[in-house]
Amino acid sequence: QSVLTQPPSASGTPGQRVTISCSGSSSNIGSNYVYWYQQLPGTAPKLLIYRNNQRPSGVPDRFSGSKSGTSASLAISGLRSEDEADYYCAAWDDSLTGWVFGGGTKLTVL
Amino acid sequence: EVQLLESGGGLVQPGGSLRLSCAASGFTFSSYGMSWVRQAPGKGLEWVSVISDSGGSTYYADSVKGRFTISRDNSKNTLYLQMSSLRAEDTAIYYCAKVIYSSVADAFDIWGQGTLVTVSS
Repeated sequence: QSVLTQPPSASGTPGQRVTISCSGSSSNIGSNYVYWYQQLPGTAPKLLIYRNNQRPSGVPDRFSGSKSGTSASLAISGLRSEDEADYYCAAWDDSLTGWVFGGGTKLTVL
Repeated sequence: EVQLLESGGGLVQPGGSLRLSCAASGFTFSSYGMSWVRQAPGKGLEWVSVISDSGGSTYYADSVKGRFTISRDNSKNTLYLQMSSLRAEDTAIYYCAKVIYSSVADAFDIWGQGTLVTVSS
Protein backbone atom coordinates (compact mmCIF):
# COMPACT_ATOMS: atom_id res chain seq x y z
CA GLN A 1 0.00 0.00 0.00
CA SER A 2 1.53 3.27 -1.16
CA VAL A 3 1.83 6.36 1.05
CA LEU A 4 0.56 8.52 -1.84
CA THR A 5 -2.78 7.50 -3.34
CA GLN A 6 -3.41 7.54 -7.07
CA PRO A 7 -6.25 6.02 -9.11
CA PRO A 8 -5.00 2.78 -10.71
CA SER A 9 -6.30 3.71 -14.13
CA ALA A 10 -7.44 6.62 -16.28
CA SER A 11 -8.48 6.92 -19.88
CA GLY A 12 -9.39 9.41 -22.56
CA THR A 13 -9.76 9.83 -26.29
CA PRO A 14 -7.32 11.71 -28.52
CA GLY A 15 -7.59 15.46 -28.05
CA GLN A 16 -9.29 15.16 -24.68
CA ARG A 17 -8.05 16.54 -21.35
CA VAL A 18 -7.46 14.10 -18.53
CA THR A 19 -6.37 14.60 -14.95
CA ILE A 20 -4.68 12.22 -12.53
CA SER A 21 -4.93 12.85 -8.82
CA CYS A 22 -2.44 12.18 -6.05
CA SER A 23 -3.44 12.33 -2.40
CA GLY A 24 -1.04 12.45 0.52
CA SER A 25 -0.71 13.93 3.98
CA SER A 26 0.74 16.87 5.87
CA SER A 27 4.14 15.19 6.15
CA ASN A 28 4.62 14.78 2.42
CA ILE A 29 2.53 16.70 -0.12
CA GLY A 30 1.31 19.11 2.54
CA SER A 31 4.82 20.36 3.31
CA ASN A 32 6.95 19.52 0.28
CA TYR A 33 7.02 19.71 -3.49
CA VAL A 34 5.27 17.15 -5.69
CA TYR A 35 6.92 15.48 -8.66
CA TRP A 36 5.46 13.49 -11.55
CA TYR A 37 7.15 10.78 -13.59
CA GLN A 38 6.06 9.14 -16.83
CA GLN A 39 7.03 5.55 -17.58
CA LEU A 40 6.42 4.34 -21.11
CA PRO A 41 6.09 0.55 -21.52
CA GLY A 42 9.43 -1.22 -21.11
CA THR A 43 11.42 1.92 -20.39
CA ALA A 44 12.88 3.77 -17.42
CA PRO A 45 10.84 6.52 -15.75
CA LYS A 46 11.18 10.07 -17.03
CA LEU A 47 10.76 13.29 -15.06
CA LEU A 48 7.60 15.07 -16.24
CA ILE A 49 6.86 17.73 -13.62
CA TYR A 50 9.05 18.98 -10.77
CA ARG A 51 8.41 21.34 -7.83
CA ASN A 52 4.61 21.04 -8.26
CA ASN A 53 4.28 22.69 -11.64
CA GLN A 54 7.65 23.07 -13.40
CA ARG A 55 8.33 21.31 -16.69
CA PRO A 56 11.85 20.14 -17.57
CA SER A 57 13.18 21.20 -20.91
CA GLY A 58 11.61 19.11 -23.67
CA VAL A 59 8.36 18.28 -21.88
CA PRO A 60 5.42 19.64 -23.89
CA ASP A 61 3.21 22.30 -22.29
CA ARG A 62 0.29 19.88 -22.72
CA PHE A 63 1.47 18.52 -19.36
CA SER A 64 0.80 20.60 -16.25
CA GLY A 65 0.89 20.05 -12.51
CA SER A 66 -0.84 21.65 -9.57
CA LYS A 67 -0.99 21.23 -5.82
CA SER A 68 -3.50 22.23 -3.16
CA GLY A 69 -3.10 21.30 0.48
CA THR A 70 -2.32 17.59 0.70
CA SER A 71 -3.35 16.75 -2.86
CA ALA A 72 -1.88 17.25 -6.29
CA SER A 73 -2.95 16.73 -9.88
CA LEU A 74 -1.39 16.09 -13.23
CA ALA A 75 -3.31 17.36 -16.23
CA ILE A 76 -2.71 16.28 -19.80
CA SER A 77 -4.46 18.28 -22.50
CA GLY A 78 -4.72 17.45 -26.20
CA LEU A 79 -4.28 13.76 -25.38
CA ARG A 80 -2.16 11.80 -27.87
CA SER A 81 -1.63 8.07 -28.36
CA GLU A 82 2.00 8.40 -27.29
CA ASP A 83 0.85 9.60 -23.86
CA GLU A 84 -0.25 6.04 -23.06
CA ALA A 85 1.98 5.19 -20.10
CA ASP A 86 2.14 4.77 -16.33
CA TYR A 87 2.27 7.99 -14.32
CA TYR A 88 3.66 8.26 -10.79
CA CYS A 89 3.55 11.09 -8.27
CA ALA A 90 6.27 11.44 -5.63
CA ALA A 91 7.14 13.65 -2.68
CA TRP A 92 9.66 13.83 0.14
CA ASP A 93 8.14 12.71 3.45
CA ASP A 94 9.40 14.53 6.54
CA SER A 95 8.14 11.85 8.96
CA LEU A 96 9.69 8.94 7.07
CA THR A 97 12.75 11.01 6.10
CA GLY A 98 12.62 9.65 2.61
CA TRP A 99 10.82 9.65 -0.70
CA VAL A 100 7.34 8.25 -1.18
CA PHE A 101 5.71 7.34 -4.46
CA GLY A 102 2.12 6.87 -5.50
CA GLY A 103 1.07 3.45 -6.71
CA GLY A 104 0.94 4.66 -10.29
CA THR A 105 -1.86 5.38 -12.75
CA LYS A 106 -2.06 3.53 -16.05
CA LEU A 107 -3.30 5.94 -18.71
CA THR A 108 -5.06 4.41 -21.71
CA VAL A 109 -5.73 6.43 -24.85
CA LEU A 110 -8.88 4.96 -26.38
CA GLU B 1 25.50 13.23 -23.27
CA VAL B 2 24.34 12.73 -19.69
CA GLN B 3 24.21 9.02 -18.98
CA LEU B 4 23.82 6.55 -16.11
CA LEU B 5 24.74 2.90 -16.61
CA GLU B 6 23.87 0.34 -13.96
CA SER B 7 25.57 -3.03 -13.60
CA GLY B 8 25.93 -5.85 -11.09
CA GLY B 9 22.45 -7.33 -11.18
CA GLY B 10 21.81 -11.05 -11.41
CA LEU B 11 20.46 -14.12 -9.66
CA VAL B 12 21.26 -14.50 -5.96
CA GLN B 13 20.02 -16.88 -3.29
CA PRO B 14 17.93 -15.68 -0.34
CA GLY B 15 20.25 -14.42 2.37
CA GLY B 16 22.95 -13.61 -0.15
CA SER B 17 24.67 -10.36 -1.07
CA LEU B 18 25.13 -8.31 -4.22
CA ARG B 19 26.72 -4.98 -5.09
CA LEU B 20 25.21 -2.77 -7.77
CA SER B 21 27.18 -0.06 -9.54
CA CYS B 22 26.05 2.98 -11.51
CA ALA B 23 28.60 4.66 -13.76
CA ALA B 24 27.84 8.30 -14.49
CA SER B 25 29.04 10.39 -17.43
CA GLY B 26 28.29 13.70 -19.09
CA PHE B 27 27.92 15.78 -15.92
CA THR B 28 29.89 16.79 -12.81
CA PHE B 29 29.02 13.74 -10.71
CA SER B 30 30.34 15.18 -7.44
CA SER B 31 27.88 18.11 -7.59
CA TYR B 32 24.65 16.11 -7.42
CA GLY B 33 22.75 13.85 -5.09
CA MET B 34 22.10 10.34 -6.36
CA SER B 35 19.43 7.76 -5.62
CA TRP B 36 18.34 4.17 -6.15
CA VAL B 37 14.72 3.36 -7.03
CA ARG B 38 13.41 -0.15 -7.67
CA GLN B 39 10.46 -1.70 -9.44
CA ALA B 40 9.28 -5.24 -8.72
CA PRO B 41 7.95 -7.16 -11.75
CA GLY B 42 4.59 -5.71 -12.76
CA LYS B 43 4.57 -3.31 -9.80
CA GLY B 44 5.08 0.40 -9.17
CA LEU B 45 8.14 2.42 -8.29
CA GLU B 46 9.64 2.11 -4.79
CA TRP B 47 12.33 4.46 -3.55
CA VAL B 48 15.28 2.63 -1.95
CA SER B 49 17.97 5.11 -0.91
CA VAL B 50 19.50 8.52 -1.61
CA ILE B 51 22.93 10.03 -0.97
CA SER B 52 24.05 13.65 -0.98
CA ASP B 53 26.66 15.05 -3.38
CA SER B 54 29.51 14.65 -0.88
CA GLY B 55 28.26 11.32 0.45
CA GLY B 56 27.91 12.82 3.90
CA SER B 57 24.14 12.28 4.10
CA THR B 58 22.32 9.05 3.33
CA TYR B 59 18.70 7.99 3.71
CA TYR B 60 16.98 4.63 3.33
CA ALA B 61 13.51 3.19 2.93
CA ASP B 62 12.40 1.25 6.00
CA SER B 63 12.17 -1.91 3.86
CA VAL B 64 15.95 -1.95 3.27
CA LYS B 65 17.35 -0.13 6.32
CA GLY B 66 20.08 -2.14 7.98
CA ARG B 67 20.49 -4.43 4.96
CA PHE B 68 21.44 -2.06 2.12
CA THR B 69 24.23 0.54 2.04
CA ILE B 70 24.47 3.34 -0.49
CA SER B 71 27.85 4.90 -1.24
CA ARG B 72 29.67 6.82 -3.94
CA ASP B 73 33.17 7.32 -5.26
CA ASN B 74 33.33 10.80 -6.74
CA SER B 75 36.83 10.14 -8.12
CA LYS B 76 35.37 7.30 -10.20
CA ASN B 77 32.00 8.93 -10.99
CA THR B 78 30.30 5.84 -9.62
CA LEU B 79 27.37 5.17 -7.30
CA TYR B 80 27.03 1.89 -5.42
CA LEU B 81 24.37 -0.09 -3.61
CA GLN B 82 25.63 -2.89 -1.38
CA MET B 83 22.76 -5.29 -0.70
CA SER B 84 22.91 -8.03 1.93
CA SER B 85 20.47 -10.43 3.62
CA LEU B 86 18.53 -10.41 0.38
CA ARG B 87 14.92 -11.58 0.35
CA ALA B 88 12.56 -12.71 -2.38
CA GLU B 89 10.73 -9.39 -2.08
CA ASP B 90 13.91 -7.55 -3.10
CA THR B 91 13.50 -8.97 -6.61
CA ALA B 92 13.18 -5.94 -8.88
CA ILE B 93 14.72 -3.77 -11.53
CA TYR B 94 17.01 -1.34 -9.74
CA TYR B 95 17.36 2.11 -11.31
CA CYS B 96 19.92 4.70 -10.35
CA ALA B 97 18.81 8.29 -10.72
CA LYS B 98 20.47 11.68 -10.56
CA VAL B 99 18.99 14.39 -8.36
CA ILE B 100 18.37 17.62 -10.25
CA TYR B 101 20.36 19.63 -7.69
CA SER B 102 22.82 18.88 -4.88
CA SER B 103 20.04 18.29 -2.35
CA VAL B 104 18.65 14.81 -1.65
CA ALA B 105 15.06 16.05 -1.63
CA ASP B 106 14.55 17.19 -5.19
CA ALA B 107 13.60 15.71 -8.57
CA PHE B 108 15.24 12.69 -10.17
CA ASP B 109 15.94 14.19 -13.57
CA ILE B 110 18.10 11.50 -15.17
CA TRP B 111 17.53 7.74 -14.87
CA GLY B 112 19.59 4.75 -15.91
CA GLN B 113 18.19 1.84 -17.86
CA GLY B 114 18.06 -0.38 -14.79
CA THR B 115 19.59 -3.68 -13.71
CA LEU B 116 17.55 -6.73 -12.73
CA VAL B 117 18.10 -8.40 -9.37
CA THR B 118 16.43 -11.77 -8.84
CA VAL B 119 16.45 -13.34 -5.38
CA SER B 120 15.55 -17.00 -5.64
CA SER B 121 16.81 -20.43 -4.64
